[in-house]
Amino acid sequence: DAGVIQSPRHEVTEMGQEVTLRCKPISGHDYLFWYRQTMMRGLELLIYFNNNVPIDDSGMPEDRFSAKMPNASFSTLKIQPSEPRDSAVYFCASSPVLRGYGYTFGSGTRLTVV
Amino acid sequence: DQQVKQNSPSLSVQEGRISILNCDYTNSMFDYFLWYKKYPAEGPTFLISISSIKDKNEDGRFTVFLNKSAKHLSLHIVPSQPGDSAVYFCAASQTGNMLTFGGGTRLMVKP
Repeated sequence: DAGVIQSPRHEVTEMGQEVTLRCKPISGHDYLFWYRQTMMRGLELLIYFNNNVPIDDSGMPEDRFSAKMPNASFSTLKIQPSEPRDSAVYFCASSPVLRGYGYTFGSGTRLTVV
Repeated sequence: DQQVKQNSPSLSVQEGRISILNCDYTNSMFDYFLWYKKYPAEGPTFLISISSIKDKNEDGRFTVFLNKSAKHLSLHIVPSQPGDSAVYFCAASQTGNMLTFGGGTRLMVKP
């Protein structure tokens, strides 16, 4: 298995633009997580899905952020409109279980909003 | 409110010496703890874990210690190697819940 695949690896966009981050989880993993890494807050959970259904989105910072999982092999995280404070590394992870050591992370998308 | 805290943002250690990374948590319901390691431009990868029924778990050069009364865990790396230089994340969970991560500690092992 190729692991969790995220795209793009880097994204530079102007303030106010829409940004879409993509994730392909590991086949057979029922859970998908979106995390954001910043210097100030470390690795924070934004939202997670179980069998394509959003379960907990309490970490989504604002209505500007939305996430979807239309099928078991694809998820998107969208920011509209983007702001400079959204600049961070965004990670997608998948796991066969909700807790435990099974979380497999993608390589992340480094987002820069100028 | 951060339930898992890593108060040292960075740590520098000489090669061959011991590295000790610390983590504190506030939720007494946490019963499973993990350490993840992250290299630049890569995602975090699982390193070692410990259940609350234990106070120590060892895997090669890596040992995790859990002090439930103090709500504290630590990761010991002995001996430290330059390849251990990375960001280390502590994580915790309670039954039926996802992992909660700390802010990370950047370890630098100098040759």
